[in-house]
Amino acid sequence: GAGVSQSPSNKVTEKGKDVELRCDPISGHTALYWYRQSLGQGLEFLIYFQGNSAPDKSGLPSDRFSAERTGGSVSTLTIQRTQQEDSAVYLCASRGANSYNEQFFGPGTRLTVL
Amino acid sequence: AQKITQTQPGMFVQEKEAVTLDCTYDTSDQSYGLFWYKQPSSGEMIFLIYQGSYDEQNATEGRYSLNFQKARKSANLVISASQLGDSAMYFCAMRDYNGGSQGNLIFGKGTKLSVKP
Repeated sequence: GAGVSQSPSNKVTEKGKDVELRCDPISGHTALYWYRQSLGQGLEFLIYFQGNSAPDKSGLPSDRFSAERTGGSVSTLTIQRTQQEDSAVYLCASRGANSYNEQFFGPGTRLTVL
Repeated sequence: AQKITQTQPGMFVQEKEAVTLDCTYDTSDQSYGLFWYKQPSSGEMIFLIYQGSYDEQNATEGRYSLNFQKARKSANLVISASQLGDSAMYFCAMRDYNGGSQGNLIFGKGTKLSVKP
């Protein structure tokens, strides 16, 4: 009974580098969400996947951010040319098709951009 | 636009006492869902309780109950018989139905609860 997993748990990178953050949702969960948690902004919605498609990318803060989901399972959030303001905890959550309510969150990836 | 407001940045409670964490919300939707999550220092978001806008009864889950006052647009979390392990950040959130099944959450800023022995 694995929950949502995320990797890496911590990532330190230099400004200008690209990073990839991975999320493994609970098996069978069709909906997947990415959120960002930072000191100044609290928890912000980034992007939502239903299956492999992303009908709502409205939360992505800039075109440096992109995400994909393959096979209706694993999702990758990519940040290109990272900036110091990208430093935050990136949280992934998934929700089953029959569960209209509860989102299950992963432990997050703490990203630090130097 | 939808908004969640938590006015208590930090709260203290004595072990074994009850505590209420405040949450007010703003939405023009008739159908919405309200959630409380706990985030301990480990960082993981733990679902506590859910209240649907059409639910007539206040939600309860063990020591957690949600005091839902629809007219006042408030959804306060009540924790009874506080335990040291309840020390954590608590977030109130609203589900954005956005006319469909999307359901991303809109979060408040959170309340840091500290339980004193």
